[in-house]
Amino acid sequence: GAGVSQSPSNKVTEKGKDVELRCDPISGHTALYWYRQSLGQGLEFLIYFQGNSAPDKSGLPSDRFSAERTGGSVSTLTIQRTQQEDSAVYLCASSLTRLAEGSNEQFFGPGTRLTVL
Amino acid sequence: AQSVAQPEDQVNVAEGNPLTVKCTYSVSGNPYLFWYVQYPNRGLQFLLKYITGDNLVKGSYGFEAEFNKSQTSFHLKKPSALVSDSALYFCAVRDMHEIYNQGGKLIFGQGTELSVKP
Repeated sequence: GAGVSQSPSNKVTEKGKDVELRCDPISGHTALYWYRQSLGQGLEFLIYFQGNSAPDKSGLPSDRFSAERTGGSVSTLTIQRTQQEDSAVYLCASSLTRLAEGSNEQFFGPGTRLTVL
Repeated sequence: AQSVAQPEDQVNVAEGNPLTVKCTYSVSGNPYLFWYVQYPNRGLQFLLKYITGDNLVKGSYGFEAEFNKSQTSFHLKKPSALVSDSALYFCAVRDMHEIYNQGGKLIFGQGTELSVKP
């Protein structure tokens, strides 16, 4: 079946502009995650959605970052007033993980490479 | 606090030789441990996981990993490396003690670049 898809694959924007990144998880996966991968920084957790529960936003680096998940499926990560330090690859993942159960692996999308000029 | 350490930024191995990519972790409860691989310009792919049971876990592409609770390690191994194994490898942990507070969040190591030469 189809895996996690993300769009766009690449995004170049100017400093100060807003951007929206989209993630389509695997059908039936209840959990959805956003991570950021910066050069030499590894993977940084941003936000986690689980079913209808309140999202875990503990990883969002500033209030310029927000995310929503509509209808328990597609998610959009929005970065307002982008800065050069926001340049990174943004990865989305989904899993079958139910709340308070952690054994299922996450399936990752190919990522969106964001470049802020 | 949860953390994962991959002490080697890069590992170089000759094709046909055994390889080891090291990972140590720190959690307050019992860990769920994962290895992922990232090929150039691709997303992360799941390799294997330790949840419970046998300490030696076998995964995709001939990889295996050994959970060592006393050393808090989960090193990735393969008996005979292939050039096609060259990629970026990430170790990750989920702390079961924290799962009610932090849900499914994975904590990743910094990654280890594996280079296998012919």
